[in-house]
Amino acid sequence: EVQLLESGGGLVQPGGSLRLSCAASGFTFRNHWMDWVRQAPGKGLEWVASIKEDGTTKYYVGSVEGRFTISRDNAQNSLWLQMNSLRAEDTATYYCAKEGRGNFDFWGQGTLVTVSS
Amino acid sequence: QSALTQPPSASGSPGQSVTISCTGTTSDVGDYTYVSWYQQHPGKAPKLMISEFTKRPSGVPDRFSGSKSGNTASLTVSGLQAEDEADYYCISWKTKLFGGGTKLTVL
Repeated sequence: EVQLLESGGGLVQPGGSLRLSCAASGFTFRNHWMDWVRQAPGKGLEWVASIKEDGTTKYYVGSVEGRFTISRDNAQNSLWLQMNSLRAEDTATYYCAKEGRGNFDFWGQGTLVTVSS
Repeated sequence: QSALTQPPSASGSPGQSVTISCTGTTSDVGDYTYVSWYQQHPGKAPKLMISEFTKRPSGVPDRFSGSKSGNTASLTVSGLQAEDEADYYCISWKTKLFGGGTKLTVL
């Protein structure tokens, strides 16, 4: 059974940093692109970042480019999102998602990040 | 790049059918293969319901079906049940932009 378990969310002040983690199990982690998708309170879904199977290629939505860094460790079946220079508009539930064939075929339960003073 | 366009709401009575549209461009829908649909219940994670416009993953009830016409993808829920009440989102893999979401209400 595929499981994705996020952690690391919480309350942070504007300008602060936070590192989200995603522990994966139930599939061959090293064979799949992985992503972060977020959802602001009461709003829709927004793709944030993607990372290739071997970690060599990464993509970001424009609003987080230069502030967020996606990374992975295939030996630990782990995915991370380092978030720096956080803004109020980054407040959201962040989901870890496994890529299938042109889709997100499995999602974690999400971790809430609140950016507020 | 623009997000895909979905109606904000849709509704139907139990047993009826309802169709939710998702409109993009020739580039991200019309001439593209990978558009998928997700169901999200309040406070829960999204769940893949339809991939590649029409493919239903294992475990998804066959009441859910997808189609495509021109630059519009559609999700149809037949034989509506109370548990189908949720938000539904489409996404084109070309841009990784989601539609704004459609709140489906079962009357």
